[in-house]
Amino acid sequence: GAGVSQSPSNKVTEKGKDVELRCDPISGHTALYWYRQRLGQGLEFLIYFQGNSAPDKSGLPSDRFSAERTGESVSTLTIQRTQQEDSAVYLCASTPGPGGYEQYFGPGTRLTVT
Amino acid sequence: AQSVTQPDIHITVSEGASLELRCNYSYGATPYLFWYVQSPGQGLQLLLKYFSGDTLVQGIKGFEAEFKRSQSSFNLRKPSVHWSDAAEYFCAVGALPGRRALTFGSGTRLQVQP
Repeated sequence: GAGVSQSPSNKVTEKGKDVELRCDPISGHTALYWYRQRLGQGLEFLIYFQGNSAPDKSGLPSDRFSAERTGESVSTLTIQRTQQEDSAVYLCASTPGPGGYEQYFGPGTRLTVT
Repeated sequence: AQSVTQPDIHITVSEGASLELRCNYSYGATPYLFWYVQSPGQGLQLLLKYFSGDTLVQGIKGFEAEFKRSQSSFNLRKPSVHWSDAAEYFCAVGALPGRRALTFGSGTRLQVQP
């Protein structure tokens, strides 16, 4: 079946602009995660959605970052007033449920802020 | 707080040689441990995972890892490396209860020489 998909694959934006990144999880997966991967570094947790529960936003680095998810489907990560330090690959992952630690990752969106 | 350390940033091995990538973790309870591989331009692919039971786990592509509680380690091994194994490898530990995100190490980049 289809895996996790993300769009766009690449995004170049000017400093100060807003960007929106999209993630389509695997159908039926109730849990969805966003991570950030800066160049040469590991993944940093950003936000976690599980079903209709309140999301875990503890990893969001600032109030410029926000994310939404409609039910158990698509999620969007929005970065307002982008800064150069926001340049990174943003990865989305999903799991079948809250007890499932095995995360399936999308290919990521490479964001470059100029 | 949980953490993962991958002490080797970059490793070069010859094709056909054996490989061991080191991973040490800090976690207050029995951890859930993972190894992921990331090829250039690709998302992360799960190689193997440890939840409980046999401390030697087998994964895909001929990889295995051994959980050693006394050493807080989960090293990844392969007896004979192939050129296609060149990639970045990430060790990760499962989250605290109630927060399902993974904590990742900073990665080890593997280069394979012909």
